[in-house]
Parts: sequence; C-alpha cells; structure tokens
Amino acid sequence: EAGVTQSPTHLIKTRGQQVTLRCSPISGHTSVYWYQQALGLGLQFLLWYDEGEERNRGNFPPRFSGRQFPNYSSELNVNALELEDSALYLCASTPGLGTRGEAQYFGPGTRLTVL
Amino acid sequence: AQRVTQPEKLLSVFKGAPVELKCNYSYSGSPELFWYVQYSRQRLQLLLRHISRESIKGFTADLNKGETSFHLKKPFAQEEDSAMYYCALSAHGGSQGNLIFGKGTKLSVKP
Repeated sequence: EAGVTQSPTHLIKTRGQQVTLRCSPISGHTSVYWYQQALGLGLQFLLWYDEGEERNRGNFPPRFSGRQFPNYSSELNVNALELEDSALYLCASTPGLGTRGEAQYFGPGTRLTVL
Repeated sequence: AQRVTQPEKLLSVFKGAPVELKCNYSYSGSPELFWYVQYSRQRLQLLLRHISRESIKGFTADLNKGETSFHLKKPFAQEEDSAMYYCALSAHGGSQGNLIFGKGTKLSVKP
C-alpha cells in the first residue's frame, strides 16, 4: 500500500512569490493535515481538511490556505512568500473523523526555500 | 493552553544503557498521546500511542495523569535507536483533530 505522497520534493522561490504544494493521502483516508517544520520551531499545525471541508487551522496568517479535492488529495497554497516561510512542509493523513487515538501517517515533506 | 514540553534537546547514552525521553503535557481534557520517531533521511513515523499500551522496538511509555507526563523508556538502548523523537498530543474531540508536537529530543546512542 502506498503511503502519503507529496510533491514537489524541493522548491526554491523568492520573496513575494506564490507557491502550491501537493499531497496525496493513503488510499481510503479522508483527513489531511498540513504541518510546518521550521528550524528551531518544531512541528506546527497549519490546516486540517476532511471530506473536502476545512475543519481547523493553526495560528498562521490567511496567506496560508488550501483545499481538498473530491479524491481527498490536498493543496497548500502560500501567497506573498516571506523569508521565514522557509521550512519543511509535512502532510499527514488519517482514515477520518471519529476514531479515538488515531495515528497520523506522514509524507516525506516538501522543502521550501525562500530567497 | 495545550502544550507539549520535551525538556531535553539532545540525549546521549551508550549502547546497552537505559533511556528515558521526557515528555510533559498541558491539556485540561482527556488527552491522546503519541510518540513519533524520525530516523535519518526517513519520514516521521508513529512509534507508539498510549491508548494501545503497546511496546514497539522495546520502547514503552506510560501516561501519568497526575504528573501530566508521558515519558518514553527503553531498558537497553541500541545504536539503531539514534533518531529524533517527538512527543505529540491529540486534542481529540470538538473541532480539533490535529497533533500538538513537542520540539523533539535527539537521541544519540554511542557504541
């Protein structure tokens, strides 16, 4: 069974540009989570989608947004890139709402560098 | 506020020595707690979760609600245990399904 996949692997952008990151969850999983892993800040929650709807978002500005498609894949969009957006962006998936103690399965991440 | 604290950035032990990676949490409800591990050049993966009370690769962790702790232990460390370890809390219930992570502890097991 394929795990969570993310694309691209690496990305280099300049300040002010926009970027789109993509994630495909494990087959059968309907929930997708996005996390930012910036140097020195650890893993911080960005967004959670389930069944096409945004369920929760972390403490990030509105220029971080995303969506989930009918096939449960997801995109993370970041507008007006800033230097501090440089980080590893991780996507995770779970079977969906409701199961107590459910583990999240992570993708390999997309490394974004903003120059 | 919901928070996970891992007080040690780096823990270095010799092979065969006991290991304890500390994790304390702050959460008013009934938490779900996890340990995730990231080996070099690999993705973040689940090591264990408190709800299943399992032992994986010789590691165990007990939830202590009185001390709000979920320390990870292994009686005899192996070199292949060297990795980054993250404690995580799921604020399950309501609208929050995301994980809250500690900043991680890098475990280095020396030969």
